[in-house]
Amino acid sequence: QVQLQESGPGLVKPSETLSLTCTVSGGYINNNNYYWGWIRQPPGKGLEWIGNIYYTGSTAYNPSLKSRVTISVDTSKNQFSLRVSSVAATDTAVYYCARMHGDVTFDYWGQGTLVTVST
Amino acid sequence: DIQMTQSPSTLSASLGDRVTLTCRASQSISSWLAWYQQKPGQAPNLLIYKASTLESGVPSRFSGSESGTEFTLTISSLRPEDSATYYCQQYNSFPYTFGQGTKLEIK
Repeated sequence: QVQLQESGPGLVKPSETLSLTCTVSGGYINNNNYYWGWIRQPPGKGLEWIGNIYYTGSTAYNPSLKSRVTISVDTSKNQFSLRVSSVAATDTAVYYCARMHGDVTFDYWGQGTLVTVST
Repeated sequence: DIQMTQSPSTLSASLGDRVTLTCRASQSISSWLAWYQQKPGQAPNLLIYKASTLESGVPSRFSGSESGTEFTLTISSLRPEDSATYYCQQYNSFPYTFGQGTKLEIK
């Protein structure tokens, strides 16, 4: 059973960079059947797709965030990561990592981690 | 971007009721539509993918259907554990987008 776990600071100051890592267990991130994604959810609001990455490093980003977002993968550690630069209070959200399987979309999710942007 | 519009925003129903939630796409997404259930403090849980395929382990009282750009999630007989917020998501094209959610309450 594949499991995903987000990790990283829960508090980030405005204008700084948010950095999160998702560790995958129970499966290999370099399995060519899967993409890996980040989704966020501001408190009390809906879900927003941030971007996806393939184990080769190929990425797709939401244009609403593209200029500030970088997703990378480390197959040796079975991890993928998210960086969001120049954060503001509007970036406060629960950040989820998830696995995307071909026709199935996001079938496995991490538990989520709350990141608060505040001084 | 493809806009996903869910209705109603909130729904109150009784145990045993048949419940239908609707999601409308602003343009064609073929059948690339998923439904998720989210309970407070938890990650979304995939229920239906490709508009009508039940994810493994999901109770058979959940079903999905489509008609053009309108998609429905039906719960055939409402149970207490179905109280949650339900989201649709299109994955036909980037950026993937979600509906705003339907909050289902049990009377």
